[in-house]
Order: sequence, then structure tokens, then C-alpha cells
Amino acid sequence: EVVLTQSPATLSLSPGERATLSCRASQNVNRYLAWYQQKPGQAPRLLIYDASNRATGIPARFSGSGSGTDFTLTISSLEPEDFAVYYCQHRSSWPLTFGGGTKVDIK
Amino acid sequence: EVQLLESGGGLVQPGGSLRLSCAASGFTFTTYGMGWVRQAPGKGLEWVSGLSDSGGNSYYADSVKGRFTISRDNSKNTLYLQMNSLRAEDTAIYYCAKPFRDYGDYWAFDYWGQGTLVTVSS
Repeated sequence: EVVLTQSPATLSLSPGERATLSCRASQNVNRYLAWYQQKPGQAPRLLIYDASNRATGIPARFSGSGSGTDFTLTISSLEPEDFAVYYCQHRSSWPLTFGGGTKVDIK
Repeated sequence: EVQLLESGGGLVQPGGSLRLSCAASGFTFTTYGMGWVRQAPGKGLEWVSGLSDSGGNSYYADSVKGRFTISRDNSKNTLYLQMNSLRAEDTAIYYCAKPFRDYGDYWAFDYWGQGTLVTVSS
């Protein structure tokens, strides 16, 4: 099973700042990595699939990069609505797994 | 508009059973694999199960293998999750989710239902 480790667990930033979130896989997942955003009481929202492709309707301030075992989600300039929990997920093999999440909160 | 509507959650005793349903609309259900993802209270996301578009291939997390069964009725555009031998640790919101692309192994999920809560407790 692929273990996804996200860091940091919590990121405290101010609106307008840049956020950099990390996801590390225990084995090679090629580029088969997705990122989700989840707000309290809501279902997750797909942001990025296959490492760097923005999903439909996702603003350009969200970008993904990486391949193999190391991946990054970058939010170039935080908007108030971006404060949430972010998860990575791989689809390279069964079972699918999610990372433990990074909470981006307001400093 | 894509819609996924889960139902069937509730309170069940340890060792009991429940069947969850997910009614899908707004896309060609028969050409998409579908999945279930759960989230325990205050915890992260956990993938539970996936099923191919034809229903011929199913996949399970180790934590539910042998206890849960995923199925679908393509004539009704509905996905199911039969949950047996339920345990306290199965308590979670269960989400039905649609992959972002059809006809293949595109197992990242671009649409999610609102979730249905399953509580396993005596």
C-alpha cells in the first residue's frame, strides 16, 4: 500500500501569502496524484489531478507539481475562501490512499 | 448537472448490517467507475471501495475487505455498498464519488455526494 505523508500538518498564513503544501509517497506513483480541498461540513472538492492539471473551474492561483514520490500544491496568493484542509490522493495502484491532510488556517 | 445522492445511513449495533445507496444523475453512469470514500468524525478521508463501469471489477480497502460489498445497477443509475459485520471503527460519513474521466482507471473524484452518516454503536 502506498502511504502518503503530508506536511506540514498545519500551515498558518495570512491572506495574500503564498502557501506551499507537500505530499510524499512511500513509493513511486508516477504523476497519478490528486489534491482536494475540504471545508467544514462539505464534501471534498477536486483541485488538481495527475499532479499538475487543474480540475474544471479551479482558479489559476492553485497549481500542482511533482512526480514519482514528491509533490507540491501551491496557492500563489491566499484568498479568504482558501482556508481549509487539503488532502492528496494517489491512483497509481490499489488500494487508493489519501494523505492525512494539511490544514491551512488564518494567522 | 451531476448529482450524487446517498441514502441508507443510520444507527446500527456492532455486528449489524446496512446497505447504502447512491443515486446518480446528470452524466452517463454506465461509462464511469464509481467509488465510496468515508470520513470518521474529525478525521481524514479514507478510500473504501471502487467498482468498474461494468461492475466486473471491484476493489476494497483492507479495513473492509470481506465485510463490505460494492455493486451497481446500471438500469437504475445507482451504486450500492452492502456493509456487514459492522464495527465501531466503521462510524463515518460515507461519500459516493465519481471519477474525473470515464472508460478507464481515472480514480480521482471530481463529484461527490453530500454523504450519509453511519453510526455503529450499542
